[in-house]
Amino acid sequence: GEDVEQSLFLSVREGDSSVINCTYTDSSSTYLYWYKQEPGAGLQLLTYIFSNMDMKQDQRLTVLLNKKDKHLSLRIADTQTGDSAIYFCAESISNFGNEKLTFGTGTRLTIIP
Amino acid sequence: DGGITQSPKYLFRKEGQNVTLSCEQNLNHDAMYWYRQDPGQGLRLIYYSQIVNDFQKGDIAEGYSVSREKKESFPLTVTSAQKNPTAFYLCASHRRGRPNEKLFFGSGTQLSVL
Repeated sequence: GEDVEQSLFLSVREGDSSVINCTYTDSSSTYLYWYKQEPGAGLQLLTYIFSNMDMKQDQRLTVLLNKKDKHLSLRIADTQTGDSAIYFCAESISNFGNEKLTFGTGTRLTIIP
Repeated sequence: DGGITQSPKYLFRKEGQNVTLSCEQNLNHDAMYWYRQDPGQGLRLIYYSQIVNDFQKGDIAEGYSVSREKKESFPLTVTSAQKNPTAFYLCASHRRGRPNEKLFFGSGTQLSVL
């Protein structure tokens, strides 16, 4: 079955690194994603990683995937006030050509000045 | 500009009433999705559709119905059978067979019960 879990809250000082963690249960996932949601808005894709990769870096963002432990993390370097948002991880599972995304509970990132 | 549009932004439902949330996209995407968002529970999948005239139940389909008569449109009806409809509803789409492409999201509809 599919279950994606995240901690609900994270507070980080401005300029420090933020690390948001996610665990998933379905080993057949093909892609894993990180989305950002600002208040009252839809979700925006930040980055994604293919399930056969261990790491992906994109400017201030680093995604680490431990497939053995089914653990995904997002590191935001030099965290800024504009990074305050809810961050969702999601996994994509293909089943006979049908793709379904399952989202985690979201982690609310708060930046402390 | 291409995009995905949800309307209305705010919707109020009376007891026993059915209401329909609109979702339209002009991105030529095959796959469309409806999610419900509750505080502390993340996004839960209600229904999804990979092609016109076909759709599948998600994890929490009870009390909801959908149709997919046109590629651009995937309306969601919240029926009177849904006893706790207050939530933020998000519609999304992407090209079928392209899981590495991003899911485009609408800006959401906040549904409240009067």
